[in-house]
Amino acid sequence: AQSVTQPDIHITVSEGASLELRCNYSYGATPYLFWYVQSPGQGLQLLLKYFSGDTLVQGIKGFEAEFKRSQSSFNLRKPSVHWSDAAEYFCAVGSNDYKLSFGAGTTVTVRA
Amino acid sequence: GAVVSQHPSRVICKSGTSVKIECRSLDFQATTMFWYRQFPKQSLMLMATSNEGSKATYEQGVEKDKFLINHASLTLSTLTVTSAHPEDSSFYICSAPTSGVKETQYFGPGTRLLVL
Repeated sequence: AQSVTQPDIHITVSEGASLELRCNYSYGATPYLFWYVQSPGQGLQLLLKYFSGDTLVQGIKGFEAEFKRSQSSFNLRKPSVHWSDAAEYFCAVGSNDYKLSFGAGTTVTVRA
Repeated sequence: GAVVSQHPSRVICKSGTSVKIECRSLDFQATTMFWYRQFPKQSLMLMATSNEGSKATYEQGVEKDKFLINHASLTLSTLTVTSAHPEDSSFYICSAPTSGVKETQYFGPGTRLLVL
């Protein structure tokens, strides 16, 4: 069975500072990995995804994530956060049947 | 990009009534759609897979008679919460993959259900 762990429930970061959100997964085969962002009252928006190839994945809004098979991790990073990055972030792992398993989410607060 | 809509965005109903939530893929066809449930401050939990032309498949622990799913066309799936109770109050979200698992899944904006 596939599962995702996001160890950090809540992260507060200053505007302009760097951000890293952790994600660990458990999956028997090569995982399909995703990061989604959910703003209050909004649907989920895909930030980036990894299926194969280059382990450093670039996404929208200046985000990137690195797949590390040896650590079963897919951490999300952004060099300099903006106040608009305050949101809930979900890591997810997908399988061949299209189903997604989500982590519990990390709430990001950006302080001025 | 592809768009998935949900209707209504929020609904309040009395306990014992049934509520229907629609999920539409607006500019692509989706033979498969997914229904998730999200409790406040929690993650999305997959409830069921909606399959066009066949029965939905439910995740373990989800009552199929409680949550009726109908995939009426290649662009529409409906979730009906039957005999709703306060514990059914939640945020229901649908998603649809465009084509193939490597394609993006697009999520609807969600429906907030409050059962009084």
